[in-house]
Amino acid sequence: KQEVTQIPAALSVPEGENLVLNCSFTDSAIYNLQWFRQDPGKGLTSLLLIQSSQREQTSGRLNASLDKSSGRSTLYIAASQPGDSATYLCALDMIKAAGNKLTFGGGTRVLVKP
Amino acid sequence: NAGVTQTPKFQVLKTGQSMTLQCAQDMNHEYMSWYRQDPGMGLRLIHYSVGAGITDQGEVPNGYNVSRSTTEDFPLRLLSAAPSQTSVYFCASSYSNSPGYEQYFGPGTRLTVT
Repeated sequence: KQEVTQIPAALSVPEGENLVLNCSFTDSAIYNLQWFRQDPGKGLTSLLLIQSSQREQTSGRLNASLDKSSGRSTLYIAASQPGDSATYLCALDMIKAAGNKLTFGGGTRVLVKP
Repeated sequence: NAGVTQTPKFQVLKTGQSMTLQCAQDMNHEYMSWYRQDPGMGLRLIHYSVGAGITDQGEVPNGYNVSRSTTEDFPLRLLSAAPSQTSVYFCASSYSNSPGYEQYFGPGTRLTVT
């Protein structure tokens, strides 16, 4: 069974520092990995999607890498801002999963202090 | 495009009551699904649909019914609400029912069953 782990569960950094969020998984048979942002009491906003054949994706200050051989993905957020405060979730689209089910990690709650 | 919309945003039910959570998308997406999010459990797939007239069960379907009469709408019905169904419910959609496509989530419905 796929295990998806996000460590740390919570992170607090001063404004301007770079953020490094980790996602590890046990089964590398995936179609893609998606990073989401969730604000308190809100829905999930898709940030980046990395296909299985890709090594990284970039969007503005965000960069996500994927290393299937080691079962890891990392989301980098450059020059963090207080508006980056949210919970970040990674989710895997598994080849073996029925119904296009995404398997989610537990999330990392980020606080960027002004 | 409004994307994925959900109504209501909040709902309180008494045990045994029934209700329907609404979900609609205006992106002509084939695939739609329902997840519930609970503390410590992450997001779990309830039901999904790969097109109008086609639905199937996810990993936690008990107590919920769905139907898909149009491409745009995918309502989730609770026939007899139980306290264990207190949760945040998210609807998601994807362009294709083939795996590997980016999934988009609605803002969620917070349901409390007393």
